[in-house]
Amino acid sequence: RKEVEQDPGPFNVPEGATVAFNCTYSNSASQSFFWYRQDCRKEPKLLMSVYSSGNEDGRFTAQLNRASQYISLLIRDSKLSDSATYLCVGPSGGSYIPTFGRGTSLIVHP
Amino acid sequence: GAGVSQSPSNKVTEKGKDVELRCDPISGHTALYWYRQSLGQGLEFLIYFQGNSAPDKSGLPSDRFSAERTGGSVSTLTIQRTQQEDSAVYLCASSSNSFGTPNYGYTFGSGTRLTVV
Repeated sequence: RKEVEQDPGPFNVPEGATVAFNCTYSNSASQSFFWYRQDCRKEPKLLMSVYSSGNEDGRFTAQLNRASQYISLLIRDSKLSDSATYLCVGPSGGSYIPTFGRGTSLIVHP
Repeated sequence: GAGVSQSPSNKVTEKGKDVELRCDPISGHTALYWYRQSLGQGLEFLIYFQGNSAPDKSGLPSDRFSAERTGGSVSTLTIQRTQQEDSAVYLCASSSNSFGTPNYGYTFGSGTRLTVV
């Protein structure tokens, strides 16, 4: 099993919708994660960090569910500009190399 | 510098030629990573540097690929005798060592788009 797994999507939603996607992880000791956003033909950029208490930033909420070993990203009131690939990033057990999920594609349409 | 800087931003080379890709990490970041991303694919880890040493280079796809880092700063990824399958975006990232802490700062450069013709 890959250490970090994501549903590739695409998630196709209308403007204004609320959308959520999850990322499952295998290392039960992991306590911190990140969500990165990658636009087409651009580098990934940090969106949010996720610790045990979760994180909220405007329309974006990230939460960590340790019992079920997944993190979630919730986007409220979706904008066209939210269309991108969202990458889940977790620690790799025993090393300093972060583990990236393959990404979830979000398409917000008018 | 303020961010991770990569050069060149685009490189077109003929099959069989050697190329060098450069990464200048954020000042003070001791860890440096190279990734490769083919069109529509996920990130493929290549190599990790801690200071000038490379504790993990398990992702280098063949012996045509090598990388070095000098002075704990700039890193160069070299691809010898390039092949068409080497065409991809090569991304560099740097960070402090404190994964998950607020000062972790894992940041990518804008990448080098390599096209082998």
